[in-house]
Amino acid sequence: EAQVTQNPRYLITVTGKKLTVTCSQNMNHEYMSWYRQDPGLGLRQIYYSMNVEVTDKGDVPEGYKVSRKEKRNFPLILESPSPNQTSLYFCASSVRWGNQPQHFGDGTRLSIL
Amino acid sequence: QQQVKQSPQSLIVQKGGISIINCAYENTAFDYFPWYQQFPGKGPALLIAIRPDVSEKKEGRFTISFNKSAKQFSLHIMDSQPGDSATYFCAAYSGNTGKLIFGQGTTLQVKP
Repeated sequence: EAQVTQNPRYLITVTGKKLTVTCSQNMNHEYMSWYRQDPGLGLRQIYYSMNVEVTDKGDVPEGYKVSRKEKRNFPLILESPSPNQTSLYFCASSVRWGNQPQHFGDGTRLSIL
Repeated sequence: QQQVKQSPQSLIVQKGGISIINCAYENTAFDYFPWYQQFPGKGPALLIAIRPDVSEKKEGRFTISFNKSAKQFSLHIMDSQPGDSATYFCAAYSGNTGKLIFGQGTTLQVKP
């Protein structure tokens, strides 16, 4: 089954404690991206990757890092999480940059206390 | 600034009625306009999409109307069903930048 898998699905943690949210896709997609969803704001892009070792900032990259060492994986790293990063996060992938639609994971709900 | 503005924020419709959600965009470089449907606990899933050279696209009970000159597009759900109750997002995509910009979302409730 074609899917985008995120882990963990839920996480409650404290300010400053580094965390990583993993994302993996099994469709051999080149393009992957991370979004955060906040009430009244829709989804906003954090980072995206057009292929292995190629990443770029989206609209709200501050406080986040990403890496793309393998085609299937695109982890989101919060080096020093803060309460304003409490949100619902989605990873998505598509065949390649410029192609739609994007396939989304089921989300990771992060709470930073 | 919000490049894609969506309204209403929430919508309640009786079963069998028509649900209408509107979006407006600013950047004329957008060249693909998808609508996503999201159920609780799930990620958004593509529902229907349109390109700006077409004024209307219909798939089953779902229709997109597109007005290029006004930079507006809308989703119409005919014969709305309780199973359509979800959050709907419009979006605008630019093939040049690869960026997908979402509207704020509309929570639709269809009452039996």
